[in-house]
Amino acid sequence: EIVLTQSPATLSLSPGERATLSCRASQSVSSHLAWYQQKPGQAPRLLIYDASNRATGIPARFSGSGSGTDFTLTINSLEPEDFAVYYCQQHSSWPPYSFGQGTKLEIK
Amino acid sequence: QVQLQESGPGLVKPSETLSLTCTVSGGSISSYSWSWIRQPPGKHLEWVGNVYNSGSTEYNPSLKSRVTISVDTSKNQFSLKLSSVTAADTAVYYCANVTRGAFHIWGQGTMVTVSS
Repeated sequence: EIVLTQSPATLSLSPGERATLSCRASQSVSSHLAWYQQKPGQAPRLLIYDASNRATGIPARFSGSGSGTDFTLTINSLEPEDFAVYYCQQHSSWPPYSFGQGTKLEIK
Repeated sequence: QVQLQESGPGLVKPSETLSLTCTVSGGSISSYSWSWIRQPPGKHLEWVGNVYNSGSTEYNPSLKSRVTISVDTSKNQFSLKLSSVTAADTAVYYCANVTRGAFHIWGQGTMVTVSS
């Protein structure tokens, strides 16, 4: 099973700043990586698929990069609604699909 | 626009079978592939299994002996059965649409508690 490790566990930033979230895979997943946003009491929402493609309706301030084992989700100019938990997920080698443990983006 | 809605009992007794249904609206269930994903309270997401538009299924190896996912095309629904449940199966259960390995559309989730 491929293990995904996200860092940092918690990121404290202010609105308007840039957020950089990391996801590292225990073995190469090529570009088969997705990112999700989850707010309290809500289902996750797909942000990025295939490492760098924005999902339908996702603002341009969200971008994904990376391949192989190291991936980054960047959120430019944070909006108040961006503070949430973010998960990465691989679909290179399955079963099982696996998720990271999450990064909580909180208001500083 | 495809929408998903989970339904089923919120409380299941230990050793019994958890049964949930996901109703698909705004599209044909036969056109896509579908997943169940769960999230224990305060923890991260865990993939449970998929049912593909071919009718084939794939399950998380950690749950494979207890899981069955099936489709009812006449009702535009798919379902999850998880047998011999324990407290460790307490979680919010989500149904989702899976396309090329990513979960594009999610239901709102349903909380299932395993307790006597």
